[in-house]
Amino acid sequence: AQSVSQHNHHVILSEAASLELGCNYSYGGTVNLFWYVQYPGQHLQLLLKYFSGDPLVKGIKGFEAEFIKSKFSFNLRKPSVQWSDTAEYFCAVTPVNTGNQFYFGTGTSLTVIP
Amino acid sequence: DADVTQTPRNRITKTGKRIMLECSQTKGHDRMYWYRQDPGLGLRLIYYSFDVKDINKGEISDGYSVSRQAQAKFSLSLESAIPNQTALYFCATSDSGQGRHEQYFGPGTRLTVT
Repeated sequence: AQSVSQHNHHVILSEAASLELGCNYSYGGTVNLFWYVQYPGQHLQLLLKYFSGDPLVKGIKGFEAEFIKSKFSFNLRKPSVQWSDTAEYFCAVTPVNTGNQFYFGTGTSLTVIP
Repeated sequence: DADVTQTPRNRITKTGKRIMLECSQTKGHDRMYWYRQDPGLGLRLIYYSFDVKDINKGEISDGYSVSRQAQAKFSLSLESAIPNQTALYFCATSDSGQGRHEQYFGPGTRLTVT
């Protein structure tokens, strides 16, 4: 079975600190990659996505992620976090040729202290 | 995303009761999914449907059943609810026609089984 690992379960940062959340997956073929964000009490919203092309993708609210195929990684970054970034972040992977089923990581809870 | 709605939003039920969670979408997507979210476990796929006549079991289908009444409606049933089915349930949709398969989530149903 495919797996998606998010190594950081809970991250606490002060405002203006830089953020990097790790995501690794186990599938060896072509994949589509996503980061979703879930603000407290809300549903999941798409933050950014990678299908092909430039491995550095930019999403909403200043977030970006870099796809490193050799490392099976898709890490999420933001240079300077804000209190409003407090949320849970999920990495998801869709192997392209397996019916496009989504595999989610277990999530990383980010708390930003003002 | 207002295009994907779930009813009810909250439900408390007793062990052994049958309960149905409903999902409707106005996005015109052909694919629909049911997930459950538990703390520390992320999102796990219960069932998914690629069209009205195509329904598939996901990672954790035991104790659940689904019905795809129309392209826009996908219901999840718990035939005899048990306490460990207490969770947050999300419906999601995607469009195979786009070839990208990003998923759009409903607001969630918080189910408590006592």
